[in-house]
Amino acid sequence: QPVLTQPPSVSGAPGQWVTISCTGSNSNLGAAYTVHWYQQFPGTAPKLLIHDNDNRPSGVPDRFSGSKSGTSASLAITGLQAEDEADYYCQSYDSSLSGYVFGTGTKVTVL
Amino acid sequence: QVQLQESGPGLVKPSDTLSLTCTVSGGSIISYYWTWIRQPPGKGLEWVGNIYYTGSTDYNPSLKSRVTISVDTSKNLFSLKVKSVTAADTAVYYCARVSGPLDPWGQGSLVTVSS
Repeated sequence: QPVLTQPPSVSGAPGQWVTISCTGSNSNLGAAYTVHWYQQFPGTAPKLLIHDNDNRPSGVPDRFSGSKSGTSASLAITGLQAEDEADYYCQSYDSSLSGYVFGTGTKVTVL
Repeated sequence: QVQLQESGPGLVKPSDTLSLTCTVSGGSIISYYWTWIRQPPGKGLEWVGNIYYTGSTDYNPSLKSRVTISVDTSKNLFSLKVKSVTAADTAVYYCARVSGPLDPWGQGSLVTVSS
């Protein structure tokens, strides 16, 4: 089953810059389907953080940004804050699945 | 704004059918796709299936033989059924609206498969 691969964890000190990679294949990110990013705190539902590769919904701080190139995408958090400690998932559409595919998830820890 | 709420039994016996409903409030179910996502405890997110308000569906091939998603436009809700459940189906089940990205999401409903 298709999957988007993310690092299990990333960490940084407050104020630092961290990035989370999301690697797909030619049936999803490489096929020009857009990527979305979600933030999830323990015990709560995922919340949309970035949509269509690099767009922030209203209310999302501008320290979050997204990018996509070829079969990969990235989420960047600049000026890391304690409240950013959460799990992050990328998501796209997969043509071989004819449905949605999620990243494996990355836990962000603020040191 | 649109809000989604999952409802259904929290405990299902092995080999039985899991049934959940997602009620949409603050907006119409018309003209959108709607989806079910599940998350086993401590694990990642898995797409279960989609439904359009017309009733057209798409299912995850790994679950297709056991899953049925339906819609009731008169009640502004859609539903999920998973038959012949096992412990591997224990998860928090989320419903969400498809608007390009998945947004918004319901709060989630934990379903445990156990005798």
